[in-house]
Amino acid sequence: DAGVIQSPRHEVTEMGQEVTLRCKPISGHDYLFWYRQTMMRGLELLIYFNNNVPIDDSGMPEDRFSAKMPNASFSTLKIQPSEPRDSAVYFCASTYSRQPQHFGDGTRLSIL
Amino acid sequence: DQQVKQNSPSLSVQEGRISILNCDYTNSMFDYFLWYKKYPAEGPTFLISISSIKDKNEDGRFTVFLNKSAKHLSLHIVPSQPGDSAVYFCAASGDFGNEKLTFGTGTRLTIIP
Repeated sequence: DAGVIQSPRHEVTEMGQEVTLRCKPISGHDYLFWYRQTMMRGLELLIYFNNNVPIDDSGMPEDRFSAKMPNASFSTLKIQPSEPRDSAVYFCASTYSRQPQHFGDGTRLSIL
Repeated sequence: DQQVKQNSPSLSVQEGRISILNCDYTNSMFDYFLWYKKYPAEGPTFLISISSIKDKNEDGRFTVFLNKSAKHLSLHIVPSQPGDSAVYFCAASGDFGNEKLTFGTGTRLTIIP
């Protein structure tokens, strides 16, 4: 299997711009997770979906962040407007039936 | 409020010796624990897990120990190899599954040849 695929791998943009991160989960997985990794807070769960439905978005930092999963093979995490403090590595992960989560290689986001 | 804590940011171990990585948790509702390994520029990969009904789980060179009364778990790697150099994350879940994992901040393990 191809694994969890995230794009882009790196994103550099200016403060105030809209940023869209993309994720393709492993085929057959019905759970999808978005995480953010920073030096200060480590790996934090932002939101997760089950069968394309958002289950828990309590980790989303503020209204500037939104996530969608229009179908079983695609999800987006959007930040609008972006701020320098959003700079981090964002990971997507997927799983099924209580198996360990499989992570993508992440998107390194830098907001100038 | 850090519910899963890895108090050692880094650890260096001689090749061939035992590596012991520690993790403490505060939430007594956690009942499933996992260790992930992460290389630079890659996502975390699953290493080993343990449920609260056990106190030990072994997989090859890797053993995880769980002490529920102390709310403490540890990962033992024996013998340590250069390829084990990575960041190790401890994670916990409250529903004997993998939804909503809470991660520790990680320990960087360096194996010295």
